[in-house]
Amino acid sequence: GENVEQHPSTLSVQEGDSAVIKCTYSDSASNYFPWYKQELGKGPQLIIDIRSNVGEKKDQRIAVTLNKTAKHFSLHITETQPEDSAVYFCAAVTQGGSEKLVFGKGTKLTVNP
Amino acid sequence: DSGVTQTPKHLITATGQRVTLRCSPRSGDLSVYWYQQSLDQGLQFLIQYYNGEERAKGNILERFSAQQFPDLHSELNLSSLELGDSALYFCASSHTGTGGDRKQFFGPGTRLTVL
Repeated sequence: GENVEQHPSTLSVQEGDSAVIKCTYSDSASNYFPWYKQELGKGPQLIIDIRSNVGEKKDQRIAVTLNKTAKHFSLHITETQPEDSAVYFCAAVTQGGSEKLVFGKGTKLTVNP
Repeated sequence: DSGVTQTPKHLITATGQRVTLRCSPRSGDLSVYWYQQSLDQGLQFLIQYYNGEERAKGNILERFSAQQFPDLHSELNLSSLELGDSALYFCASSHTGTGGDRKQFFGPGTRLTVL
């Protein structure tokens, strides 16, 4: 089955800097890749997603890139703010059948004022 | 607010007991997914229902079962509880079960503590 690796597990940046989180997946049949932000005591919140027929997607300060050949995708956050501090999860969904999400282990992002 | 509701927010029970977790999906969503979040296993898919029928199973124990009712709300039943079942249980919903709009929206979760 699908396996998703996520790095780094923790990331600390200064306010205004950029943050990059990287994920790799194992199943070449995976074709949908969402990113979730989870704040303490809350459920995961979908922040951006990308389909396999697209190489990059941007939404204000957040962007995601996908390299299907290398089977990796990344989350880029620019001009970070303290409210960006949270745990971020990448996930992959394999084509056909269930739409179950296979998650990475998460990255704890801390943005220092 | 995702539009997905879960009750109860917290649940404390003893080993060997049985509990029921409830989820109401976003209005119009036909698919409900259950996930378990623990420190050692991360976020793991348990089971999916689409329009009342089971669509897929993940790493769900035989002691656990779920169902989706005609009004599309879902319940996750956990029985013969063990200490290791202590975790956060999330419900997510999406409009379709496959293809189409694939976005899944998560509820606030139920924190289960087994003593």
